[in-house]
Amino acid sequence: DGGITQSPKYLFRKEGQNVTLSCEQNLNHDAMYWYRQDPGQGLRLIYYSQIVNDFQKGDIAEGYSVSREKKESFPLTVTSAQKNPTAFYLCASSVGTGSQPQHFGDGTRLSIL
Amino acid sequence: GESVGLHLPTLSVQEGDNSIINCAYSNSASDYFIWYKQESGKGPQFIIDIRSNMDKRQGQRVTVLLNKTVKHLSLQIAATQPGDSAVYFCAEKTPVGATNKLIFGTGTLLAVQP
Repeated sequence: DGGITQSPKYLFRKEGQNVTLSCEQNLNHDAMYWYRQDPGQGLRLIYYSQIVNDFQKGDIAEGYSVSREKKESFPLTVTSAQKNPTAFYLCASSVGTGSQPQHFGDGTRLSIL
Repeated sequence: GESVGLHLPTLSVQEGDNSIINCAYSNSASDYFIWYKQESGKGPQFIIDIRSNMDKRQGQRVTVLLNKTVKHLSLQIAATQPGDSAVYFCAEKTPVGATNKLIFGTGTLLAVQP
């Protein structure tokens, strides 16, 4: 089946630790995105990539980093600089950045130990 | 259908009734709109979209209405079923500099009573 796979589903981070969230898509989409979802708030954009080897900061990029070495993969690293990392993280992809829907994975829930 | 703080507005309907979920969007320059359904612990699922040159679009059991004059979007679900229970939120595509951005609403919880 075509889709977006995020792993792991649950992740725990210790103080001072970097953790990496995986996102893989087999939809042949050029654009990929990372969002953060907190209770009662709309999705907030962390980073996005319109094409391989290129990515841009979103609205809340501080404390996060990404890479886009392959079209299918867009991993997100939550660094120790992110002081409030507890959230539900969603990866999405779309054909392009025009008027096409973004399709989402099932998320990773990150908590602090 | 906009939320305040941590509390999502809730729409409670009886199974078989029609549901109408509303969304006010922010930017009159937005030209594309999407409705998503999100079940607990899962990612948002695309339902239907509409471009700003249309005012109505129908899918299977769902209809989206767009009123650009008052910047209002609604999602109508016909013959609501228990499986429709979820959080529904809208997104608008708005131009930001040389690119576009999706702005997401906070959502409405639809609770279907059997």
